[in-house]
Amino acid sequence: DQQVKQNSPSLSVQEGRISILNCDYTNSMFDYFLWYKKYPAEGPTFLISISSIKDKNEDGRFTVFLNKSAKHLSLHIVPSQPGDSAVYFCAAGDPKAAGNKLTFGGGTRVLVKP
Amino acid sequence: NAGVTQTPKFQVLKTGQSMTLQCAQDMNHNSMYWYRQDPGMGLRLIYYSASEGTTDKGEVPNGYNVSRLNKREFSLRLESAAPSQTSVYFCASSITGEKLFFGSGTQLSVL
Repeated sequence: DQQVKQNSPSLSVQEGRISILNCDYTNSMFDYFLWYKKYPAEGPTFLISISSIKDKNEDGRFTVFLNKSAKHLSLHIVPSQPGDSAVYFCAAGDPKAAGNKLTFGGGTRVLVKP
Repeated sequence: NAGVTQTPKFQVLKTGQSMTLQCAQDMNHNSMYWYRQDPGMGLRLIYYSASEGTTDKGEVPNGYNVSRLNKREFSLRLESAAPSQTSVYFCASSITGEKLFFGSGTQLSVL
């Protein structure tokens, strides 16, 4: 039973347009959420995070929105650039869980076309 | 500053062979983790070590063992490899568990 789901395995977008990646979770104990970006043959790298006390966090072209009542978060990339082509993972954490471990979604592969 | 270093980068094993994946971090992080990545499954936690001297099972520990050798090093051992263990393995470390720093991965094929 996946507690964190990314229902879109892939997304294709034109350069300069907005990319919207979605993530749903089921565990109401999750208290903070992160997005990671992964290029081929590299490890994931941290992109942006949000805690449950906020509904929006922005960092340059990247904005994460959190809707706690819907147990849904999204990542907006505006404007999308070819270098954004990668796999994006959302992750969620429960600080009270043993080991404070992250649970990851299945990933969304983004292709930004020039 | 190397961050998290994993070796080897690639490995091919025959069913039943054993091997150890090595991981070292130079960021003085307390916590270290081993994940596996499979298509559509995301990153699943195999084992973790919240601090030096402790290790605990994650979501998919069967068929694996770990050793937290010291604060820097955390190894993953496959005692008798199976085709189901064909995957990409990532080691990660963190100070608190919230923000992970990953190594570049080990691509393992078990024939």
